[in-house]
Amino acid sequence: DVKVTQSSRYLVKRTGEKVFLECVQDMDHENMFWYRQDPGLGLRLIYFSYDVKMKEKGDIPEGYSVSREKKERFSLILESASTNQTSMYLCASSPSGRASYEQFFGPGTRLTVL
Amino acid sequence: SQKIEQNSEALNIQEGKTATLTCNYTNYSPAYLQWYRQDPGRGPVFLLLIRENEKEKRKERLKVTFDTTLKQSLFHITASQPADSATYLCALLEGGYSTLTFGKGTMLLVSP
Repeated sequence: DVKVTQSSRYLVKRTGEKVFLECVQDMDHENMFWYRQDPGLGLRLIYFSYDVKMKEKGDIPEGYSVSREKKERFSLILESASTNQTSMYLCASSPSGRASYEQFFGPGTRLTVL
Repeated sequence: SQKIEQNSEALNIQEGKTATLTCNYTNYSPAYLQWYRQDPGRGPVFLLLIRENEKEKRKERLKVTFDTTLKQSLFHITASQPADSATYLCALLEGGYSTLTFGKGTMLLVSP
């Protein structure tokens, strides 16, 4: 059974802390994505990566950075967490070269910044 | 500006009826349109994909239509069951891109 896992289901951090959200996929997918999901705003793309060490900005990259040192792992970093980054964070992966580009999502991390 | 619109109001239907959800888009030329299901507190799960040159796609009790003239996709669940209750998201993929743009989703509630 294919799987995308995220390091935490729930996380509580304080304003100004550096936060790491980890995502691992076991499907040998080239593409990986980080989204945030907020009520009334839907899923919004933060960053994505087509390959190891490659990263591209999505629609809302401000305040975030990413790291992809290994194919199976994609990390989202909040350099200095702020309350407006309280959200549900979802990681996804997809194979490259497939016309369908369907994405496989992890269970999500609900981050609260106090 | 580009927009994907799904009905923000929940759709309430009786078990056994057909549920129809709508996805309208503006200023997109999607090569593919996808539908996902999302349960509370979980990540979305892929259901169906339809290409721009396809009018209709079926999978078990699910049917998707795609009208590029009307700029609309309809998602049908026939013989609906309470277990079908969830939020359904449509997502567009434009040709030459590999990132999806998601609608905000419509919640479906199926009553026994």
